[in-house]
Amino acid sequence: AQSVTQLGSHVSVSEGALVLLRCNYSSSVPPYLFWYVQYPNQGLQLLLKYTTGATLVKGINGFEAEFKKSETSFHLTKPSAHMSDAAEYFCAVSDRGTGKLIFGQGTTLQVKP
Amino acid sequence: DTAVSQTPKYLVTQMGNDKSIKCEQNLGHDTMYWYKQDSKKFLKIMFSYNNKELIINETVPNRFSPKSPDKAHLNLHINSLELGDSAVYFCASSPGKYTEAFFGQGTRLTVV
Repeated sequence: AQSVTQLGSHVSVSEGALVLLRCNYSSSVPPYLFWYVQYPNQGLQLLLKYTTGATLVKGINGFEAEFKKSETSFHLTKPSAHMSDAAEYFCAVSDRGTGKLIFGQGTTLQVKP
Repeated sequence: DTAVSQTPKYLVTQMGNDKSIKCEQNLGHDTMYWYKQDSKKFLKIMFSYNNKELIINETVPNRFSPKSPDKAHLNLHINSLELGDSAVYFCASSPGKYTEAFFGQGTRLTVV
C-alpha cells in the first residue's frame, strides 16, 4: 500500500531563512505527488504537484519541490520564508489503484520574526 | 464564486442526534470526496463518488451515509452522533481519478 511520511511534525525558521519540509513516499509505481497548505480554520490549498516530466516543479507563493525517484522523496522548499507562510503543510500521493489522495501527517511551519 | 462550498461551517450538536453536511462544487468535476481531519490534523478519506456512483467507501461506521443527488453535490448524513465523531469534515472534488483535489472550507463538527 502506498504511504507518505513527513519528517518533522513541527519546523521553525526565521523570516528570510530557507524553508525545507521533508516528504518521503512509498509506492510500487511512479506516483503522482502533491503538496497542500492549510491556513488556520481553512481548507487545503494546492501548492504544487508532480505527475510526469520535469522533476523540479514550481508552485504558488514561491514554493518548489523536487521529485527524486532514487530517494523516494518530494521535499518542499522556499528560499526565503515570509511570516505569511506560517501554516500546516501536507504532502500527498495519489493511489494509482483508486485515485484517492493519501496524506502525510502534516508539518506545522512556524516563522519567527 | 466559491469552487467547493460546504454548509454549515460549524456544527455543535448533542450525542445521539442526526445531522447532515452539504457540499456543492461548481467546477464541473466528476469526482467528489469526503475527508475527515482529526484533532491531530490527520486527513483520511471516507468516501468518493464519481458521477453519482460510490467508488470508495473506506472503513467508516454505517452511521455515516453519503448521498449524491447529482455530480455537483455530495452530502454527508450522520446518524446517532458520538463524541468521537468530533472532527473537521472536508468535501473535495477533482477532475479526474489521479489528479489533485480541490477542497472546501471544512465543517467543524463538535459533539457534546
